Amino acid sequence: GESVGLHLPTLSVQEGDNSIINCAYSNSASDYFIWYKQESGKGPQFIIDIRSNMDKRQGQRVTVLLNKTVKHLSLQIAATQPGDSAVYFCAERLQGAQKLVFGQGTRLTINP
Amino acid sequence: GAVVSQHPSWVICKSGTSVKIECRSLDFQATTMFWYRQFPKQSLMLMATSNEGSKATYEQGVEKDKFLINHASLTLSTLTVTSAHPEDSSFYICSRRQGSSYEQYFGPGTRLTVT
Repeated sequence: GESVGLHLPTLSVQEGDNSIINCAYSNSASDYFIWYKQESGKGPQFIIDIRSNMDKRQGQRVTVLLNKTVKHLSLQIAATQPGDSAVYFCAERLQGAQKLVFGQGTRLTINP
Repeated sequence: GAVVSQHPSWVICKSGTSVKIECRSLDFQATTMFWYRQFPKQSLMLMATSNEGSKATYEQGVEKDKFLINHASLTLSTLTVTSAHPEDSSFYICSRRQGSSYEQYFGPGTRLTVT
């Protein structure tokens, strides 16, 4: 069935370093993927998305990579800042569906 | 600025009572809105898809008679937790899409505590 999982539940990085958050998905029929950032006690905020006809998409300090061969999605954050501390969720949309299926989340902590 | 609001932001109620949570789309007429539940340190779990002017579509395992959803206008969806129990204590979050985009815009969430 549909499922989206993350390899690591927690990730600690030094301030200024690059962060890479990974996500595995199981449904090859998913055609849209999205990353959200959630700070404590708040709703998720959009970071970046990518459609299945793309391999890479870049935003401001963030890059999403999609490897459909191994059903893997990653979020790269350049020059990680203290404000990047949050839980990051990937989500997928099954082709034809309206809903998103969320992964378990990765907590990113920044060491000074 | 925020495009989706929720009210209240937090609520405490006694076991057996009902609680209504409002979700408003502030800048877009949303025919479809979504309700999620999130337990501590867990992911978002979709409860139901709210459709304006028609019945909500509930996910498997979600009791439709316990979690009543009303989407009476294009800017307002409500979730009523009926006969609440302590295990219903959770963070409830709504979202909406915009047009044909699959991206969902989320509200700030409502923290429900049932005592």
